Amino acid sequence: GAVVSQHPSRVICKSGTSVKIECRSLDFQATTMFWYRQFPKQSLMLMATSNEGSKATYEQGVEKDKFLINHASLTLSTLTVTSAHPEDSSFYICSAAELAGDYNEQFFGPGTRLTVL
Amino acid sequence: GQNIDQPTEMTATEGAIVQINCTYQTSGFNGLFWYQQHAGEAPTFLSYNVLDGLEEKGRFSSFLSRSKGYSYLLLKELQMKDSASYLCAVLDSNYQLIWGAGTKLIIKP
Repeated sequence: GAVVSQHPSRVICKSGTSVKIECRSLDFQATTMFWYRQFPKQSLMLMATSNEGSKATYEQGVEKDKFLINHASLTLSTLTVTSAHPEDSSFYICSAAELAGDYNEQFFGPGTRLTVL
Repeated sequence: GQNIDQPTEMTATEGAIVQINCTYQTSGFNGLFWYQQHAGEAPTFLSYNVLDGLEEKGRFSSFLSRSKGYSYLLLKELQMKDSASYLCAVLDSNYQLIWGAGTKLIIKP
């Protein structure tokens, strides 16, 4: 199946700093990428949907100025958590869909565990 | 509102069979997914149902009844490595994935 990578897998940062997470589709072109956040023992929460070359669509309650998403190419999307605070500590997961409008299957990255001190 | 219900936790014995149920109420329906998620890892795709009936894939089967808003994931010949959370997710009319909270499956020897 299609492979999606994320980097870094774990990051610890100080409060107030910014953290960038990369999501790459390794063997296919991802027209659409999704960013999720998962708190312990809770389900995945969709944060935003990004299409290559256009602005991301954020879910209600997600601050777009705090969680900057860039989908610059068909194989790379980045999520930048700006001015991170301890409450932003979470497991961030990206997924990618291969074709525009093809939502039948999303391929997930391995996730990034963010800890903000 | 949109709602997906599945049991929080289930326990089963190695070698046995377990059925994990999922009921949903969503605005529209474009398919139902089951994902497996091991602790600290991202979900992995198990199955996709959009028509009523049973889809069998090795030790795992998934069933859907659209009229009842109901699905189940059936796991046979349970192995210790099947200990994980199983997430039910529905694709709504806007092609948004609505996620259940997941069922933690504990396998005992």
